[in-house]
Amino acid sequence: AQSVTQLGSHVSVSEGALVLLRCNYSSSVPPYLFWYVQYPNQGLQLLLKYTTGATLVKGINGFEAEFKKSETSFHLTKPSAHMSDAAEYFCAVSNGNNFNKFYFGSGTKLNVKP
Amino acid sequence: DTGVSQNPRHKITKRGQNVTFRCDPISEHNRLYWYRQTLGQGPEFLTYFQNEAQLEKSRLLSDRFSAERPKGSFSTLEIQRTEQGDSAMYLCASTRDVGNTIYFGEGSWLTVV
Repeated sequence: AQSVTQLGSHVSVSEGALVLLRCNYSSSVPPYLFWYVQYPNQGLQLLLKYTTGATLVKGINGFEAEFKKSETSFHLTKPSAHMSDAAEYFCAVSNGNNFNKFYFGSGTKLNVKP
Repeated sequence: DTGVSQNPRHKITKRGQNVTFRCDPISEHNRLYWYRQTLGQGPEFLTYFQNEAQLEKSRLLSDRFSAERPKGSFSTLEIQRTEQGDSAMYLCASTRDVGNTIYFGEGSWLTVV
């Protein structure tokens, strides 16, 4: 069974500050891990994904995430927040053998203050 | 790629009516997924097609829900005898093959009044 927990349904940062969105997963098999972003009334856009190999993954818009197996975590970071980063972010896990389905966390809404 | 297209984007219907949503995946994507997202929650898996074959269905997909993908191209999701609890955004996604990025459409909002 697989599941995702996102700590903090709302995160607020100042423009230029570090963004840290937390994601912990549970998986009985080596996981594939993803971060998606959703803007209001829109679908989900892939930010980055981890499948195998390097545990530090870089994505679009300056975001990156690090897979830490010992901590079962896949936290999303960005060194300097921009106003345009305000959106809802979803962490997801799927099994490595077949992308039949993703299990999503409940999401974290990021607010960026000027 | 023109992206995953979903129609209609918004639908308001009275309880008990039937509704149908359509999804046009990215060309040549043989895998297609339907998810449901309610306010404040992440998307939940509903069903999955590989070409025209429906390979997996979630227990969330009650007998009032049916999905088809004739000829392995576009897909439809029909909800019969809608209930207020069906109000949600229905997301479609597609991918070319296992291991590739899954692309989501912009969703179809359903409001049952």
